[in-house]
Amino acid sequence: QKEVEQNSGPLSVPEGAIASLNCTYSDRGSQSFFWYRQYSGKSPELIMSIYSNGDKEDGRFTAQLNKASQYVSLLIRDSQPSDSATYLCAVTSGGSYIPTFGRGTSLIVHP
Amino acid sequence: GAVVSQHPSRVICKSGTSVKIECRSLDFQATTMFWYRQFPKKSLMLMATSNEGSKATYEQGVEKDKFLINHASLTLSTLTVTSAHPEDSSFYICSARIMGQGANEQYFGPGTRLTVT
Repeated sequence: QKEVEQNSGPLSVPEGAIASLNCTYSDRGSQSFFWYRQYSGKSPELIMSIYSNGDKEDGRFTAQLNKASQYVSLLIRDSQPSDSATYLCAVTSGGSYIPTFGRGTSLIVHP
Repeated sequence: GAVVSQHPSRVICKSGTSVKIECRSLDFQATTMFWYRQFPKKSLMLMATSNEGSKATYEQGVEKDKFLINHASLTLSTLTVTSAHPEDSSFYICSARIMGQGANEQYFGPGTRLTVT
């Protein structure tokens, strides 16, 4: 059973701070890792994908992958109230293109 | 790029009727589309995977005769909820995987909120 674990939160950070969201996965053969943002009542939106160990930066977002420790994280710099949403981690493995989603972490950025 | 649309965005129907939801990839061809269901404050639940020109693969516990999926072209998949009941009320979301890319990125449609009265 492939599992993707996220702390449900909520994670509350002040505006301007760095928000750190974490995700662990059980299948050591996992190959593709994704972060989606989902606003309340809306569908998920892909914000980052990462495939190799290390950091990948895109604007205020940085994804960090550590396959040895089986975790992937998302850092949001200069957090804004508009970043308040649920962040879903998704992982594919074993040659499958069907991702396993975590339950999501709720992020609240307060002014 | 990578825009996926869904229609309708919201539908209310009476118990016992059927509802069809369309999912279209607008600016790319999608070999594979996925159908998810999400109840309030719950995680995404994959219902089925549909590939163009072949039968859909349903997840365990999802009734294929109740949730009919047709992937008629590389840009269109439909989900028909047959004989809908109030417990089928949910947020239905499709996603599409871009054809030809090695990456496994999925792009989601905006979702369809179904209410069965």
